[in-house]
Formats: sequence, C-alpha cells, structure tokens
Amino acid sequence: DAKTTQPPSMDCAEGRAANLPCNHSTISGNEYVYWYRQIHSQGPQYIIHGLKNNETNEMASLIITEDRKSSTLILPHATLRDTAVYYCIAAQTGANNLFFGTGTRLTVIP
Amino acid sequence: DAGVTQSPTHLIKTRGQHVTLRCSPISGHKSVSWYQQVLGQGPQFIFQYYEKEERGRGNFPDRFSARQFPNYSSELNVNALLLGDSALYLCASSLQAGNSPLHFGNGTRLTVT
Repeated sequence: DAKTTQPPSMDCAEGRAANLPCNHSTISGNEYVYWYRQIHSQGPQYIIHGLKNNETNEMASLIITEDRKSSTLILPHATLRDTAVYYCIAAQTGANNLFFGTGTRLTVIP
Repeated sequence: DAGVTQSPTHLIKTRGQHVTLRCSPISGHKSVSWYQQVLGQGPQFIFQYYEKEERGRGNFPDRFSARQFPNYSSELNVNALLLGDSALYLCASSLQAGNSPLHFGNGTRLTVT
C-alpha cells in the first residue's frame, strides 16, 4: 500500500470548513483513498473513500487531485464533535489490512 | 442495530500471562479484523478472519493467535504477555473479506504490568 503523509495537527474554528490535506504521491492505479477518524476513547469511524472522482456524503467531501498524488477531506461546517484524529489511507478496494499511520489531530475551537 | 461489541472493555494482566479478547461483529457481517493501537500511534493490523479462516496476518509474533466461530464472532489470544503488549485492541467487521468500509468497536484496553 502507498504511504500517506498528513500534518500532525490542525485547528479549525467552529462553524468553519475544515480542510485536511493528505499526500499520497506513490499511490497506484488500483488504490483508493480512504478517510477514517477516531474520536477520543472510541474506535475509528469510516468517513468516505474515493478513487479519482470527487466524492461527497452526509459527513464530508473528498477532493482528489487529477494526478491522484494528493487529496483533501472537507468537513463543511465543523462542530466541536468533529475534534478527532483523522487518518488518510491508500489501499486497494476491499483491503482489510489498512495502514493507519499517525493521522492529523483536528481540534475544533469554539 | 448493535455495532461491533468487544469484551472486556478494560483488562489488567501480569507479564507472562495469557489473555483472550472477544468480539461480536455487526449482524450479517462475516469478516472480522483485529488491530493493535499503542498509545500515540495509529492502529496496526494483526489478523483478518472470514468464514472461520485466516485471510491475512500482520507483522506480529506467534504469541498472537485468533479464531472465528460459526456465528462469526471472534477471539484474539495473546500468550506470554510482555509489557509492550499494553495497548488498545480493536476489532472491526465488514460484510465480506474484501469489502470496505470497516466498522470498528471501541476496543479492549489491555494493561500488562
């Protein structure tokens, strides 16, 4: 699986959009970009995934660059409950052996 | 619907002992995966089981073993516990072996003294 690089931490004001970047310059053609988040004392929670097209669901939007070497997870209106560690993972579809890395710790500030 | 449930939630063991952790997947999910999360790190893959067979194994010693039962629940066993085995052990389920996303439980916090 391709390695991903994320900033260790970010802050975001409550109500504003949170934009979390991820670099995956060695991603292969059959690897998807997955995002999970982990709120303190809980297990990771799936957010969204995509291959090359932008994706949106009720939780977030995923923007993948045309060359697929980087992506951005967007939380449109961050709330205090969005404070968590966000993991960007490159993996083949259906892979269960996900490599989580250390993620980005997002803190939403009132 | 109940999510992935794990038991116990917390456990304290002594070096050299063994431990059994249990996981019940979401109803209808046939695949179970185990992850270890050391403090300050992301989860690390240990095992995946599907239809009672091991489908994947991470870089963990033979002291770690697991099994899956006919009802798709699973156990993770760790023998000869070391201090370094102290971690949060996470179980995740999915519909099939090659199906995402993974649905995680809230883990078992194991402390080895």
